[in-house]
Amino acid sequence: DIVMTQSPDSLAVSLGERATINCKSSQTVLYSSNNKNYLAWYQQRPGQPPKLLIYWASTRESGVPDRFSGSGSGTDFTLTINSLQAEDVAVYYCQQYYSTPMYSFGQGTKLEIK
Amino acid sequence: QVQLQESGPGLVKPSETLSLTCTVSGYSISSGSYWGWIRQPPGKGLEWIGSIYHSGSTYYNPSLKIRVTISVDMSKNQFSLKLSSVTAADTAVYYCARDSAVTGVPDFWSQGTLVTVSS
Repeated sequence: DIVMTQSPDSLAVSLGERATINCKSSQTVLYSSNNKNYLAWYQQRPGQPPKLLIYWASTRESGVPDRFSGSGSGTDFTLTINSLQAEDVAVYYCQQYYSTPMYSFGQGTKLEIK
Repeated sequence: QVQLQESGPGLVKPSETLSLTCTVSGYSISSGSYWGWIRQPPGKGLEWIGSIYHSGSTYYNPSLKIRVTISVDMSKNQFSLKLSSVTAADTAVYYCARDSAVTGVPDFWSQGTLVTVSS
């Protein structure tokens, strides 16, 4: 099983500042045959289902603001939110789909406004 | 637009079987994609339960495998979850989702339904 570990568990960032969330997988999620990282990021607001933000580690889903960006490769990944807005308050999850359709999620990172 | 909606009891007794159905609209299950169930205990993170392909091939979380059955009914454009021998630890919001046929990532999710296990 691929275990996903996020850090930090929670963070508080001022409006307009940058938020950075890290995700580490217990084994590589980089598929050598196509050079793609099978890593996604989700945003979950209270009372809502998760919303897909980024897939292939760095490709934004249609309609996702460009202040959200993903980076990393292999086992270490980062979600960056620039110019934090009030509506960005949520829990963020990374997910590996290297073993698709069997996948696993990180434990989540709660983002709040400082 | 793909939409998914769960249905089923919101309260299940301990040791009984939890049953949920996900009805898909805006997309035919028979067109492809994997269809999955994910759950989230109150205040906790997401746990993948299992997935099914339109052909009927199933994949289950090893930690739940002995208790889980997922099936598909293409005539009704639905897929279903059965989780047997439930305990309070199975109390959670249950989501159904579609995996994108292009990326393999769950891209459309249901709103979620809370299932409470209690006598």
